[in-house]
Amino acid sequence: AQSVAQPEDQVNVAEGNPLTVKCTYSVSGNPYLFWYVQYPNRGLQFLLKYITGDNLVKGSYGFEAEFNKSQTSFHLKKPSALVSDSALYFCAPYSNSGYALNFGKGTSLLVTP
Amino acid sequence: AAGVIQSPRHLIKEKRETATLKCYPIPRHDTVYWYQQGPGQDPQFLISFYEKMQSDKGSIPDRFSAQQFSDYHSELNMSSLELGDSALYFCASSLSLGEGTGELFFGEGSRLTVL
Repeated sequence: AQSVAQPEDQVNVAEGNPLTVKCTYSVSGNPYLFWYVQYPNRGLQFLLKYITGDNLVKGSYGFEAEFNKSQTSFHLKKPSALVSDSALYFCAPYSNSGYALNFGKGTSLLVTP
Repeated sequence: AAGVIQSPRHLIKEKRETATLKCYPIPRHDTVYWYQQGPGQDPQFLISFYEKMQSDKGSIPDRFSAQQFSDYHSELNMSSLELGDSALYFCASSLSLGEGTGELFFGEGSRLTVL
């Protein structure tokens, strides 16, 4: 089974500063891990994914995530935050059934001017 | 590019009434997923369909049913509506695992309000 945990309910960052949204995973076998973003009253949008290959994954809107097997983490990062990055971020595993993504507790990111 | 289309975008119903939500996936996508997101809550997976067959089942209440049709669109039927059913209902679609890379494409959601 695959599961993830996002230890922070909210992350506050000043515009222009680097941001990190944390995610740790627990899987049996090879992990398939995803990051999605949800802006207010909108559907979730895919940001990036890790399946195999390079541990540093680059995604949309300047985001990237680093898969760290020893720390079982898949933190989302961005070198310079924008106010428009303020949203809800979800780390999610791919289920063993191969079809459903279960979105757990997300992290609210607030970027202040 | 074509996206996932959901209708209606907004729906107001009374308690004990019935509601039907529709979802039109991205062309060529054969898998459809339904999610429910209550106010301030995380999206909860309800059910999914692959090639018109139920592929996975989440926390869908017995009062709800869904199906996927031959043109791959899906409908979520909700009966005996309760106040707690008020939520944003998202549909997502994807290619099958063997063809795609696992990412889901979400619609803008249907907001159901039960009075």
